[in-house]
This record gives sequence, structure tokens and C-alpha cells, in this order.
Amino acid sequence: DAGVTQSPTHLIKTRGQQVTLRCSPKSGHDTVSWYQQALGQGPQFIFQYYEEEERQRGNFPDRFSGHQFPNYSSELNVNALLLGDSALYLCASSLGQLRYNEQFFGPGTRLTVL
Amino acid sequence: GNSVTQMEGPVTLSEEAFLTINCTYTATGYPSLFWYVQYPGEGLQLLLKATKADDKGSNKGFEATYRKETTSFHLEKGSVQVSDSAVYFCALTGSDKIIFGKGTRLHILP
Repeated sequence: DAGVTQSPTHLIKTRGQQVTLRCSPKSGHDTVSWYQQALGQGPQFIFQYYEEEERQRGNFPDRFSGHQFPNYSSELNVNALLLGDSALYLCASSLGQLRYNEQFFGPGTRLTVL
Repeated sequence: GNSVTQMEGPVTLSEEAFLTINCTYTATGYPSLFWYVQYPGEGLQLLLKATKADDKGSNKGFEATYRKETTSFHLEKGSVQVSDSAVYFCALTGSDKIIFGKGTRLHILP
């Protein structure tokens, strides 16, 4: 049973560019959440998708957008990249939105903005 | 708003020592509390959880008790191993999103 997978593993972009990160949830899971983890910090919640809609959002600008597909996989898009967007982007999946449901994390995508 | 504060690291211990990593939280209502662990080069893994006051979560020799009166969820282990070296995150869920602490890096010396 495959866990949460993310692609690509690493990515290098320049300021002003756009980037798309991808996530496939654990088999049987229908909810996907995205997090940004800056170096030496805890993950910061970006948003959560359930039934192909954004259900919750953290304190991130509109440059961060996402999508969930009918097969529950998800994309995170970041426009007009800034140096400060350099971070590890984590995807987590769960079954349903209940707050005590365990979230399973992927290994992350390391984004470097030059 | 909701927040989590955990002790700063790094924490360095010898193998078989007793471990405590402090975590306190601020939240409205009745959050669920979690400890996650992140091994080098990997994503986060749920270590243990507690969903209501006085619950004790435990896994792999680690324990933490949900203390509402002190708003704490300290992580403990009686005898650490080198393989426990990792970054540990305390977290809570309020309204369906997880809020993480900054993490505590743990080094265990053989």
C-alpha cells in the first residue's frame, strides 16, 4: 500500500516564476492538506482540499492556490515566486475532515527560489 | 488564536537517558493534541495522540498526557536510543487544521 507521494523531490526556480507541486494521497484517503516548512521551523498550514473544494485556508496570500482532482490527488500552485517561498512543501492526506483523524505526510518537495 | 510552544533544542542525551520535551498550548475549546517525529530526509510521522483531557497517548516507548489544567502535553521516554535522534513536533487541531510547534531536535549519543 503506497503512502503519500509527492513530486518532484527537488525544484529550483527563479523569482517571479510559477511552480506546480503534486501530491497523491494514501490509498483510501479523500482529504489533502498542504504545509510549508521553512528551515528550522514547524510546518505552516496552507490549505486543505476535500471533495475537490478548498475547505480551510491558513494565512497565505492568493499567490498560493490549489486543486484537487476526482481521484483525490492534488496540486499546489505558487505564482510570482519570492525568495521567501523557498521551503519544504509537505502534503498530508487523511480520511475525512474530522480534527482527530490522523494525517499521513509525504516526504515533501524542496523548493529553492533564486 | 491557537498556538503551540515547545522547548527549543537541540537536546543532547546519552543513550538510555530519560527524555522530556515540554509542550504547552493555547486553544479555545477542546483541541486534539499530537506529537509528530521527523527523521532526517523524511516526512512527518505521527508518534502519538490524545483527543481529550487526561488521555495518555503512547507509542514506541514514548508517552504524553493531555493536561488541560496546565495546558500541556509533554513528551517522555524512559530510555532513549540512538535511533530516536530526530526532530519532534508538538501539534494541535482546533477547527480541522493542524498547528505545529517549531520543533525540537533530539541528538542521542551512543
